[in-house]
Amino acid sequence: NAGVTQTPKFQVLKTGQSMTLQCAQDMNHEYMSWYRQDPGMGLRLIHYSVGAGITDQGEVPNGYNVSRSTTEDFPLRLLSAAPSQTSVYFCASRPQQNQPQHFGDGTRLSIL
Amino acid sequence: AQSVAQPEDQVNVAEGNPLTVKCTYSVSGNPYLFWYVQYPNRGLQFLLKYITGDNLVKGSYGFEAEFNKSQTSFHLKKPSALVSDSALYFCAVRDADSWGKFQFGAGTQVVVTP
Repeated sequence: NAGVTQTPKFQVLKTGQSMTLQCAQDMNHEYMSWYRQDPGMGLRLIHYSVGAGITDQGEVPNGYNVSRSTTEDFPLRLLSAAPSQTSVYFCASRPQQNQPQHFGDGTRLSIL
Repeated sequence: AQSVAQPEDQVNVAEGNPLTVKCTYSVSGNPYLFWYVQYPNRGLQFLLKYITGDNLVKGSYGFEAEFNKSQTSFHLKKPSALVSDSALYFCAVRDADSWGKFQFGAGTQVVVTP
């Protein structure tokens, strides 16, 4: 099993550009989440999904969109990139509410 | 609302000595508590969890944690630290009623010296 796969691993954008961070899992997990990690702030939840077709906002959703058309994929879209969105982004999945999350290796995003 | 605090930015310990990483939490209902470890340029890896049952939870790589309801704490411990335990450790909490929303602490960097 590949687990949780995030692409790309690195990306540099200019302010105002848009892009999509990809996340795919092959474990048939219902729950998926996107986090951003910034120094000294831990992980902050951006958006999450409890199943295909169902998404909800987390702690820091502004500037990001998500969709969940399949169980496997949960892409994160940056609508108009801003320097404040420079961060490391992690996607995670888990099978049930009480189970631990499986994390991808992250996407390191720089906005110039 | 739920929150979690890791009061120490960094913990330094000599190899072979006991290791403790502190975590306190606040939730409105019953807590689900997790510890994760992160190595450089990698995602988080699960160590252990408390959902219900025994207050002492044993996890991967010799780690354990004790759930203390009265002190709202869930400290991570290892009796004898290894140099390879040097990493960033995160405590996470979820209220039993909050579905997908986990709250992570800021992380504690553990440095184990030979």
